[in-house]
Amino acid sequence: AQSVTQPDIHITVSEGASLELRCNYSYGATPYLFWYVQSPGQGLQLLLKYFSGDTLVQGIKGFEAEFKRSQSSFNLRKPSVHWSDAAEYFCAVDDYKLSFGAGTTVTVRA
Amino acid sequence: GAVVSQHPSWVICKSGTSVKIECRSLDFQATTMFWYRQFPKQSLMLMATSNEGSKATYEQGVEKDKFLINHASLTLSTLTVTSAHPEDSSFYICSASYPQTLQETQYFGPGTRLLVL
Repeated sequence: AQSVTQPDIHITVSEGASLELRCNYSYGATPYLFWYVQSPGQGLQLLLKYFSGDTLVQGIKGFEAEFKRSQSSFNLRKPSVHWSDAAEYFCAVDDYKLSFGAGTTVTVRA
Repeated sequence: GAVVSQHPSWVICKSGTSVKIECRSLDFQATTMFWYRQFPKQSLMLMATSNEGSKATYEQGVEKDKFLINHASLTLSTLTVTSAHPEDSSFYICSASYPQTLQETQYFGPGTRLLVL
């Protein structure tokens, strides 16, 4: 069965600094990978997805993610964070149903 | 596009009563809808998958008589928590699959917070 690991439970970053959130997956075939963001008390918003092709995927809100098959990773990056990026971020893999990682809480300090 | 709504956003009920939560895909027809449950500070747990016109498929450990799912149309699915108890208090989130060429993508509703007193 597929699984997703987000090694970082909580990350604090200064506004304007870069951000990288790690995601590792365990899946036998070509994975379909997603990053979602959840603001407090809200549902999930799709940031980006990878199905195939170019391994560097651009998403909304200035986020990008890179798929690395050799490392079984799909890390999310943003060059310069804004205070509004403070939220919970979930990586997910789709094998007929979504399996989510435990999530990473991002705190942005002024 | 790909907007999913849920109603209500908040519900408080007495123990023993039933609560219905609606999930609608507003601008697309969803082949499949999903219901998740999320506890505080935790990830999402898939409860069930529903396809229009057929019975829902429940995940292991989810009581189908407790959580009734009806998928009446391609744009509406409902979750009814029957005889709710305080341990059913949680954040319930639905999603709808937006069919695409290569792979369906799930779009999520804003969630419904249920508090059972």
